[in-house]
Amino acid sequence: LAKTTQPISMDSYEGQEVNITCSHNNIATNDYITWYQQFPSQGPRFIIQGYKTKVTNEVASLFIPADRKSSTLSLPRVSLSDTAVYYCLVGGINSGGYQKVTFGTGTKLQVIP
Amino acid sequence: NAGVTQTPKFQVLKTGQSMTLQCAQDMNHNSMYWYRQDPGMGLRLIYYSASEGTTDKGEVPNGYNVSRLNKREFSLRLESAAPSQTSVYFCASSGAGLAGDLSYEQYFGPGTRLTVT
Repeated sequence: LAKTTQPISMDSYEGQEVNITCSHNNIATNDYITWYQQFPSQGPRFIIQGYKTKVTNEVASLFIPADRKSSTLSLPRVSLSDTAVYYCLVGGINSGGYQKVTFGTGTKLQVIP
Repeated sequence: NAGVTQTPKFQVLKTGQSMTLQCAQDMNHNSMYWYRQDPGMGLRLIYYSASEGTTDKGEVPNGYNVSRLNKREFSLRLESAAPSQTSVYFCASSGAGLAGDLSYEQYFGPGTRLTVT
């Protein structure tokens, strides 16, 4: 399984753009990059997923360079409700149909008023 | 469409007691998972089931057993609870493996908070 490294914590003011970078040097060819958000006392929630280049949805953008050894989750104009832990996961489907991913310790984002 | 449901929400056990955590999903997903999350930590995979009738160990399987009762349900059993198993347990499901489904999204339940004294 590809190991991921991301900052333990980040602070940001409301209204700012936040970029969280994840390092995954030993990503495999078939691996996808997925980001989850977790609020206290809740299960993680899927944010975005990508394989290469840039992916954008209604809540975030995911930037993946050509070598795929890192990725950056971009949250535009954060609000207090974006205060949460953000997990970067790398993995794919193996022959048994299992989605092999590992949750690291995540990045705790604190949005400040 | 309830998604992933878990019961119970809270449980307190004494050391040595046994219990089963229940999980069900109504999204016709093939894959189901059990994770534990200790305070301030990320999630660690206990067991997973790639499809009905199959189960396999994850990162931290010791002290647990699982049953994939049918496509909807995946239960986790603690045969003899220990204080080290105090944690929040999350069940998840994923459509990965369904024909044409390339999403790696896992859908999580609300969790079960287990305390073993």
